[in-house]
Amino acid sequence: GNSVTQMEGPVTLSEEAFLTINCTYTATGYPSLFWYVQYPGEGLQLLLKATKADDKGSNKGFEATYRKETTSFHLEKGSVQVSDSAVYFCALSDRMERNQFYFGTGTSLTVIP
Amino acid sequence: EAGVAQSPRYKIIEKRQSVAFWCNPISGHATLYWYQQILGQGPKLLIQFQNNGVVDDSQLPKDRFSAERLKGVDSTLKIQPAKLEDSAVYLCASSLGSRNVKAGNTIYFGEGSWLTVV
Repeated sequence: GNSVTQMEGPVTLSEEAFLTINCTYTATGYPSLFWYVQYPGEGLQLLLKATKADDKGSNKGFEATYRKETTSFHLEKGSVQVSDSAVYFCALSDRMERNQFYFGTGTSLTVIP
Repeated sequence: EAGVAQSPRYKIIEKRQSVAFWCNPISGHATLYWYQQILGQGPKLLIQFQNNGVVDDSQLPKDRFSAERLKGVDSTLKIQPAKLEDSAVYLCASSLGSRNVKAGNTIYFGEGSWLTVV
């Protein structure tokens, strides 16, 4: 079946530190991969996505590369800011399964000045 | 482009009362989802519609939860009677619902309806 496993948090970093949040997946079909971000009191917002192997999604300084060989989609940012404090969710969508989405459990990030 | 609209944003009810949440998806989106997000957890799919048909409701507690999507646009999620463990954020989301590979079908969320059952 389809599932997403995400690195557990919480993660606390100092401003300008390097960020990595690990995400691995299992899929039976041809998934698209996503990272969503949830700021306090808000809904989930799309951060970036990749639709096929070796694609790199990027947005707001965040990047993630779709690695089929390691079934991974790790989120990275070279220099985090206080405003990046949020919960990050890795997700998978299998187009062959009626566009169903599978979410990880979320990783809470706090960036301190 | 208008996003996914949800109402009400916040609701406090007593256990055994009923509550209804409304969702208006992005125009043209065929697929509509209702998720339940308990504090500190990831979203859990309750029900997925494709137009006005149900694709998946396997995790919907049907003894107390119901949802409908009349005319394939707006949707309503109802809880009756509510239990304390229903306290959560109810997220509505929508997507084009296309199988177009290049589309990389993306799901867009509303801001959520926050339910507290006391």
